[in-house]
Amino acid sequence: QSVLTQPPSASGTPGQRVTISCSGGSSNIGRNHVYWYQQFPGTAPKLVFFRINQRPSGVPDRFSGSKSGTSASLAISGLRSEDESVYYCAAWDDNLSGPVFGGGTKLTVL
Amino acid sequence: QVQLVESGGGVVQPGGSLRLSCAASGFTFSSFAMHWVRQTPGKGLEWVAIIRYDGTDKYNEELVEGRFTISRDDSKNTLYLQMDSLRGQDTAVYYCAKEERRVEPAGPDSWGQGTLVIVSS
Repeated sequence: QSVLTQPPSASGTPGQRVTISCSGGSSNIGRNHVYWYQQFPGTAPKLVFFRINQRPSGVPDRFSGSKSGTSASLAISGLRSEDESVYYCAAWDDNLSGPVFGGGTKLTVL
Repeated sequence: QVQLVESGGGVVQPGGSLRLSCAASGFTFSSFAMHWVRQTPGKGLEWVAIIRYDGTDKYNEELVEGRFTISRDDSKNTLYLQMDSLRGQDTAVYYCAKEERRVEPAGPDSWGQGTLVIVSS
């Protein structure tokens, strides 16, 4: 139902590297920067990675992002228990003239 | 640091109105576009509207159908969302969010804690 497509779940063990994918189209990811948010239950989304290689202050460098064509991915290396959260991707959509979001991926640290 | 504090949510009957406010601090409010985004368990995050630094606005018309109005008061560092003719499907947590880029908007970088709107008789 969301404009951007994410897998509903992902998992990994502590220390592992996991990636979360986000698929869109030519009007959004294909032409614009991608933003990644982390959200814990009952709290607001928090930006963890954006544009090609930007990480907000305070976000560990274990978080990285990439984009190819109309798809993007968020990678988390050295997985830690505190990374267990829901992750959303977003990108500006030229048709909507506003941002569109993925449905979210629940990351479980086993 | 950026701080966004929403208020004005609550329970309202179908067909009723609510005005949400978002008090901003920690950045030059007048220089940035601001968004309203809502979240429901069923539909996830949905962008509602944006107002640019110069006051021009844009809506997710499929969502609002002319019922919502976004506005800003730069003298008070406050963002607003006037919601009229509310429907049950408008029930959601409403977030205000600051745009990341100064010129052409691309996506939010900071979010408020959200305010819950429940439309129910």
